[in-house]
Amino acid sequence: GAGVSQSPSNKVTEKGKDVELRCDPISGHTALYWYRQRLGQGLEFLIYFQGNSAPDKSGLPSDRFSAERTGESVSTLTIQRTQQEDSAVYLCASSLRTSSQPQHFGDGTRLSIL
Amino acid sequence: DAKTTQPNSMESNEEEPVHLPCNHSTISGTDYIHWYRQLPSQGPEYVIHGLTSNVNNRMASLAIAEDRKSSTLILHRATLRDAAVYYCILGPGGSQGNLIFGKGTKLSVKP
Repeated sequence: GAGVSQSPSNKVTEKGKDVELRCDPISGHTALYWYRQRLGQGLEFLIYFQGNSAPDKSGLPSDRFSAERTGESVSTLTIQRTQQEDSAVYLCASSLRTSSQPQHFGDGTRLSIL
Repeated sequence: DAKTTQPNSMESNEEEPVHLPCNHSTISGTDYIHWYRQLPSQGPEYVIHGLTSNVNNRMASLAIAEDRKSSTLILHRATLRDAAVYYCILGPGGSQGNLIFGKGTKLSVKP
């Protein structure tokens, strides 16, 4: 079956511009996660959606970052007024439930800020 | 948050078994032990997870110490495609489901 799909796969933009990244989770997965991975580093948690509960935004690095999810489907991560330190791979994952269930990751969006 | 400790890198020969260690001395009773791996230019891939008992699946085996303070991921016959960064992660119980990734172990497989 289809896995987690992310678009675009690559995005190059100028400093100060806004960007929007999209994630299509696996159908039926109630939990959706966004992570960031800087070059040569591990993954940093950004935000987590679980069903209709309020999202856990504790990992968002600044108020320039926001994310939305419509029901249990598509999610978008928006970065406003991009800075060079925002350059990273942004990964999305989904799972059936939290904690004990495996997360299925997309291949990420590679964001480069010039 | 409970943390894990893994070697930065390991080497293996092709078709030999590989034992990847992980220490998690502050693990709580509700923490699951998850293993993921990440191949170059790809998102992480689930490998295996367990709570108390040893686990086997088609990819690997997970051996968990009796006191749960350490675990070992076992690849029974390494192939070149197993070269990746392997992450050992403790999954919190309750409503919070995000995984806390460390730097993992970079596994190199020599032909």
